[in-house]
Amino acid sequence: DTGVSQNPRHKITKRGQNVTFRCDPISEHNRLYWYRQTLGQGPEFLTYFQNEAQLEKSRLLSDRFSAERPKGSFSTLEIQRTEQGDSAMYLCASRHNRDREFFGPGTRLTVL
Amino acid sequence: DQQVKQNSPSLSVQEGRISILNCDYTNSMFDYFLWYKKYPAEGPTFLISISSIKDKNEDGRFTVFLNKSAKHLSLHIVPSQPGDSAVYFCAASAGFNKFYFGSGTKLNVKP
Repeated sequence: DTGVSQNPRHKITKRGQNVTFRCDPISEHNRLYWYRQTLGQGPEFLTYFQNEAQLEKSRLLSDRFSAERPKGSFSTLEIQRTEQGDSAMYLCASRHNRDREFFGPGTRLTVL
Repeated sequence: DQQVKQNSPSLSVQEGRISILNCDYTNSMFDYFLWYKKYPAEGPTFLISISSIKDKNEDGRFTVFLNKSAKHLSLHIVPSQPGDSAVYFCAASAGFNKFYFGSGTKLNVKP
């Protein structure tokens, strides 16, 4: 059982740069979720996929954010023209249908 | 629009005693609720869940109570152990699509 993995674990970037994060879910899980967590808050839903289809996007996901899940396997979350307000922990979770979610360790983004 | 609220940012309990963590929600359409535990530098891990057709679910030392009329759920840990010290999040869902999380309660169990 390899669990959900996320890379990189930490990312420091300068404002205005683009960043991309990767999530590898548990292999048989058809649903994949992205959350953002800031200090003192719980995870906030960003978007989710069922297989390769992106079914819902939060209004938190501005047009600078894009997520993909090609072939229904791993997923990437890209942030273009990063801003300091994007600094947060980005969490990925996967699950199979109505089973519980399994979270990855997260990617901590710091925008200078 | 915070649909799930945990109003106690922190809780300190003596080892062996009961820990009670509370959570309130506003959306009457929520029909599934979970508690997660989170250690530093790790993602949240599932602890226990309850569906709206029940008012109680037990798993070992952990019991979740749901009061639908009050839109309130609570997590009881008995007896509390130092290893339970972590941040606890409650989460709620309508139809099992996406989950809304509270802001968390940091539990400290003192030896």
